[in-house]
Amino acid sequence: QSVLTQPPSVSGAPGQRVTISCTGSSSNIGAGYDVHWYQQLPGTAPKLLIYGNSNRPSGVPDRFSGSKSGTSASLAITGLQAEDEADYYCQSYDSSLSGLYVFGTGTKVTVL
Amino acid sequence: EVQLVESGGGLIQPGGSLRLSCAASGFTVSSNYMSWVRQAPGKGLEWVSVIYSGGSTYYADSVKGRFTISRDNSKNTLYLQMNSLRAEDTAVYYCARAGSLGGFDLWGRGTLVTVSS
Repeated sequence: QSVLTQPPSVSGAPGQRVTISCTGSSSNIGAGYDVHWYQQLPGTAPKLLIYGNSNRPSGVPDRFSGSKSGTSASLAITGLQAEDEADYYCQSYDSSLSGLYVFGTGTKVTVL
Repeated sequence: EVQLVESGGGLIQPGGSLRLSCAASGFTVSSNYMSWVRQAPGKGLEWVSVIYSGGSTYYADSVKGRFTISRDNSKNTLYLQMNSLRAEDTAVYYCARAGSLGGFDLWGRGTLVTVSS
């Protein structure tokens, strides 16, 4: 079971801005561990979108941005495009006994 | 080309065993942290196991004692030995590389494991 909580779904019209929250606890995000974000298009493997809370790998458009504060993190998509319709997952490290790497529950982004 | 290619998935009865392989190219498996991540049908991502470059291994509670991660340096390949399989182990299994800057920066296409009688 996931220890990072995300909203099940968010939606927006093309060109709009949407944000996805990722809420953790004192054993993961709140302990200072980095948050990473992944985009999973239908039927494909996840792709690293944001690493180290706010950094974009080469090739990721600057429409995607990440931030972290306290026990939470957020992913923002500005200028929403049809090809952004996908599932998004946050991920961090957890110092509890239940596991090392933890993923968020996932958020489906729908472009209206 | 830098890539990961999984194989070994299939249909297996409850209680059975299966070994997944993940062949790497373009980089050295033993120099990286390598993980298995799974995704049950219609569900989210679940981290399964990791092997560090130094050889240490760790597992999610859900598979501890049943799954074993290993690597063959000569074949540049990562493995996941899965024993005592249960219906809830049904998922697409991805191998992934933990990038030096954080996050899993390289993923395979995945291999489907179905546990059913």
